[in-house]
Amino acid sequence: SSELTQDPAVSVALGQTVRITCQGDTLRNYYASWYQQKPGQAPILVIYGKNNRPSGIPDRFSGSSSGNTASLTITGAQAEDEADYYCNSRDNNSDHYVFGTGTKVTVL
Amino acid sequence: EVQLVEFGGGVVRPGGSLRLSCAASGFTFDDYGMSWVRQAPGKGLEWVSVINWNGGSTGYAGSVKGRFTISRDSAKNSLYLQMNSLRAEDTALYYCARVATSLDAFDIWGQGTMVSVSS
Repeated sequence: SSELTQDPAVSVALGQTVRITCQGDTLRNYYASWYQQKPGQAPILVIYGKNNRPSGIPDRFSGSSSGNTASLTITGAQAEDEADYYCNSRDNNSDHYVFGTGTKVTVL
Repeated sequence: EVQLVEFGGGVVRPGGSLRLSCAASGFTFDDYGMSWVRQAPGKGLEWVSVINWNGGSTGYAGSVKGRFTISRDSAKNSLYLQMNSLRAEDTALYYCARVATSLDAFDIWGQGTMVSVSS
C-alpha cells in the first residue's frame, strides 16, 4: 500500500504563515484532503479537492498540490490553529485510503 | 444535526471478537459511503475500512483484511465493524466517518469508541 509522509512538527509565530507538506506517489493521481485534530477531539475536515474548504472553515486555510506533494497553508496562524494535521488520499488501489503520518503545529 | 455516534467498544482478550456500531442521523444515510478509521493511543490516524452507499463494495487495510468485516443496515441507519481474531495492536480509538464521495474526503466524524485488546 502507499504511504504519505509529513514532517512530524512545525512551529509558527502568531499571525505568520506556515505550510505543511504531504508527500506520496498516490498524490500524482488523487487530491489530498486535510484534517485538523485537537487533543481529545475527533478530526475535522479543513481542505478537500483542489483547494476547497467546508462551511465554517476560515479562509486562512488553503491547499495546493504539485507532483507528488500536497500542501496545507495557514496564512495568519491563530492560537486556535495549534493542532495535529493529517493529509489523506485514495490509495493507488482506489478502494483504499491512506493517511499521512501527521504534523504537530505549534503556534508561538 | 448531522451526527455519528459510535458504540460497542470495550476490553477484549487477544483472539477475541467485538462488534462496533455507528448510528447515523441528520442526513440520508443511503446517499453516502462510510468508513472506519482508528487511532492507537498517542499515534496517528489509520484508515481501516470503507463501504459504499449500498454495501455492494468494501475495502480493508492490509492490517485488518480477513479479520474485520464492515457492513451497514439502511433500515437502522447504522454502520458496523465486526472484529475477529483481535490482537494487541488493534488497541485504538475507532472512529466512524462519512465518506463524501464527490469530495473524496471524510466530511463528518463521530467521537469514537475505544477498543482495548489485553490479556
